[in-house]
Amino acid sequence: EPEVTQTPSHQVTQMGQEVILRCVPISNHLYFYWYRQILGQKVEFLVSFYNNEISEKSEIFDDQFSVERPDGSNFTLKIRSTKLEDSAMYFCASSDRVASVISPLHFGNGTRLTVT
Amino acid sequence: AQRVTQPEKLLSVFKGAPVELKCNYSYSGSPELFWYVQYSRQRLQLLLRHISRESIKGFTADLNKGETSFHLKKPFAQEEDSAMYYCALSTGGGADGLTFGKGTHLIIQP
Repeated sequence: EPEVTQTPSHQVTQMGQEVILRCVPISNHLYFYWYRQILGQKVEFLVSFYNNEISEKSEIFDDQFSVERPDGSNFTLKIRSTKLEDSAMYFCASSDRVASVISPLHFGNGTRLTVT
Repeated sequence: AQRVTQPEKLLSVFKGAPVELKCNYSYSGSPELFWYVQYSRQRLQLLLRHISRESIKGFTADLNKGETSFHLKKPFAQEEDSAMYYCALSTGGGADGLTFGKGTHLIIQP
């Protein structure tokens, strides 16, 4: 069964550094998402992406964040200048549309980001 | 803004006992509700959605609009049901994101 893959599984970075988290969604999916989960807290929506543009974003997704689909397969999340509070598990997800209904989200395994 | 509440952080039951994981939501429109499960060291995966009205791994959930609830139930718990369970809400249409509850850690004791 096809899966969403994320790399790296764990990323350690220093405060103020830029970091790029990478995701390969399921190949025929059209909708892409990033979520994050701070340790001990709930999964939070960051952004959704469709047709090469952001569809929706949360309050968390400020100017420090950006997303890109640089080619036909990758979907990246960039944090421009990381802060300690950006430390979290970041999940990528993708979904498809079947007869005008968006299918459930398929999640990757996540990237654990640690900002020191 | 919509909200999903899972009041139990941890729920421990014995194998063979019934399980009910509570989920309440607040949203003024007609939401779509989901249950996602995360087994140890595995990714989040869809367990069921209310529009499917199906039973997965013996679990069922009924959307009660009057009580704004979407509780997850299973009549006889099995050890392999031990996992984190997340209730999630979609406001529907377009590529909107899911709003998750905080999750309930279900432990099935032998």
